[in-house]
Amino acid sequence: GAGVSQSPSNKVTEKGKDVELRCDPISGHTALYWYRQSLGQGLEFLIYFQGNSAPDKSGLPSDRFSAERTGGSVSTLTIQRTQQEDSAVYLCASSPFMNTEAFFGQGTRLTVV
Amino acid sequence: AQSVAQPEDQVNVAEGNPLTVKCTYSVSGNPYLFWYVQYPNRGLQFLLKYITGDNLVKGSYGFEAEFNKSQTSFHLKKPSALVSDSALYFCAVIPGWGGGNKLTFGTGTQLKVEL
Repeated sequence: GAGVSQSPSNKVTEKGKDVELRCDPISGHTALYWYRQSLGQGLEFLIYFQGNSAPDKSGLPSDRFSAERTGGSVSTLTIQRTQQEDSAVYLCASSPFMNTEAFFGQGTRLTVV
Repeated sequence: AQSVAQPEDQVNVAEGNPLTVKCTYSVSGNPYLFWYVQYPNRGLQFLLKYITGDNLVKGSYGFEAEFNKSQTSFHLKKPSALVSDSALYFCAVIPGWGGGNKLTFGTGTQLKVEL
């Protein structure tokens, strides 16, 4: 497809379990972002990848959160030992180069029970 | 540090009336500014951007925004609102040269257009 693809679209997990969220950016896009959106809230920045540069991890809320981007394409956001407060929609976005608009996926709705 | 403020949680307007959704920013560089819209249970859609040049930019669905450097604002406007414009609107900023490339969003403004 031509857009940003995220999987799974929904994930229910038990408290304490690890989860992996996947993002396939638009082909050729060098920048990739992860955000978190709680119900009715704004977008909380998590992490930003730009080409081969070191990622900006300044938004990761704790050391339980990590992300990687393999081969400059697919990205995985991992949450270890999930907590109920991790429940949110996790949004991924990509952009073709720096300082231009980003295109968003549909998000992964994570529910921790 | 960069930040974006959307001072209104909700804006109500009658269909056919002009609408304005406010946004102010705080960055150290020459910013790149964006507006996005989010319809219920859908992802964010890009509306318009200011990069450089004319301070008035036009975007999708008849929306426009005016960049005002002295007031550090980038308000979203539309001359005649439609009920279908009802959605959650986000302003966003990239600081640009010297200030980094991170895309930061405001807290969002819920627009409600009523008949």
